[in-house]
Amino acid sequence: AQKITQTQPGMFVQEKEAVTLDCTYDTSDQSYGLFWYKQPSSGEMIFLIYQGSYDEQNATEGRYSLNFQKARKSANLVISASQLGDSAMYFCAMRGFSGSARQLTFGSGTQLTVLP
Amino acid sequence: DAGITQSPRYKITETGRQVTLMCHQTWSHSYMFWYRQDLGHGLRLIYYSAAADITDKGEVPDGYVVSRSKTENFPLTLESATRSQTSVYFCATLQGSTEAFFGQGTRLTVV
Repeated sequence: AQKITQTQPGMFVQEKEAVTLDCTYDTSDQSYGLFWYKQPSSGEMIFLIYQGSYDEQNATEGRYSLNFQKARKSANLVISASQLGDSAMYFCAMRGFSGSARQLTFGSGTQLTVLP
Repeated sequence: DAGITQSPRYKITETGRQVTLMCHQTWSHSYMFWYRQDLGHGLRLIYYSAAADITDKGEVPDGYVVSRSKTENFPLTLESATRSQTSVYFCATLQGSTEAFFGQGTRLTVV
C-alpha cells in the first residue's frame, strides 16, 4: 500500500516570500510518480507539477518547484515569490505503476494563506 | 467541450434513497477514479477503473457501486444513501503518467 503524509494542516507566508509545503510518502514500488495539486476556495483541482521517481532533476513549473529527495521519501513543493492568489489548499499525491499501486493516492492537504 | 464532466453539480437526497453520480470524459483515458473529499481527510479513493469493465476498490468503497461499460463513462451509485455519505465527490481521469484531470465535483447532501 502507498501512503502520503502532509504534516502541515495550515501554513502562513508573507506575500513575495518563498514557502515550502512538506510531503512524505511511503511505497514499495520502485517506479512511481508524485503530483501536487492546488484547490482554491472555488473547489476545482488544479494540477501544478509532476515528478517521476527516476527523474534525475527536480521538476519545475514557473514559480513551482518540487524538492525531490528519494532517499528520504520526500517531495516538498516550493512556491517562490508567493502571491495572494496562491492562497488555497494544496494536495500531494502519488501513484505507482504496478497492480493496485496504480491508484492515485492523496495526502490530507495543507491550507496555505498568503498574507499581504 | 473536451474534458471531464460530472453531473449533477449539487444533489440533495434523503437517507435510504439510491443516487447515481455521473462522470463523463471526452478523451479516451484509461484510468478513471472516484474520490470523496471531507474536511480533514483530503481526497479518499472510493473506486477506480483501469479500463472498461475493469474496476477495483479503493480506500472507502463500502456503500458504493461503480460500473464502466464504456470507456468514457464511470457512474458512481450510492445504493442506500446515508448521512455519512454527505461529501464532495470528484471524478478524475489519468492517461499516461504525468497528470490526472479532475471534474468540477459534485456536492452531495444526504438528509
